Amino acid sequence: DAGVIQSPRHEVTEMGQEVTLRCKPISGHDYLFWYRQTMMRGLELLIYFNNNVPIDDSGMPEDRFSAKMPNASFSTLKIQPSEPRDSAVYFCASNPTGQNTEAFFGQGTRLTVV
Amino acid sequence: GDSVTQMEGPVTLSEEAFLTINCTYTATGYPSLFWYVQYPGEGLQLLLKATKADDKGSNKGFEATYRKETTSFHLEKGSVQVSDSAVYFCALRRLTGGGNKLTFGTGTQLKVEL
Repeated sequence: DAGVIQSPRHEVTEMGQEVTLRCKPISGHDYLFWYRQTMMRGLELLIYFNNNVPIDDSGMPEDRFSAKMPNASFSTLKIQPSEPRDSAVYFCASNPTGQNTEAFFGQGTRLTVV
Repeated sequence: GDSVTQMEGPVTLSEEAFLTINCTYTATGYPSLFWYVQYPGEGLQLLLKATKADDKGSNKGFEATYRKETTSFHLEKGSVQVSDSAVYFCALRRLTGGGNKLTFGTGTQLKVEL
């Protein structure tokens, strides 16, 4: 397996534009997580899914953020409209069910909003 | 709720020095404990884990022992190398009552110099 695949790796956009980040989890993993990492706030869990159903979205900062998982092999995180304070590295991770299982992270999308 | 506390960084060491990064946790029940490492420009990857009290996880010369009496999982390495320079994250997971999501500490940056 190629691991968790995120696209794009880098995104530069203007304030007010819509941004869509994409993630393909590892096949067979039934949990998918979206994280945001910044110098100021560290690593934050935004939302996670189990079997394509959102379980906890309490980390989503505001209504401008939305996430979907239409099937087991694809998820999106959308920011509309984007703001400069959304600039961060966004990670997707997946793991199978189980307390002891390893979470596999993608390489992240570095988002810059100017 | 669950939480993980790590020592503040950055930690700067000379090559071949001994490393300790402290980690303590708060959680009900019996969580599993993990150390993840993030190299520059990459996502997090599992370094080691321990799934029950007194277990010792080890990998690449790093070790950590699950101490339930002190709720700790300190990371140690006897002789660090420049290539160990990275950010280290302590984490816990509880399947029952914890939603199977990882709870991360804030991360500790390690810099190893020649």
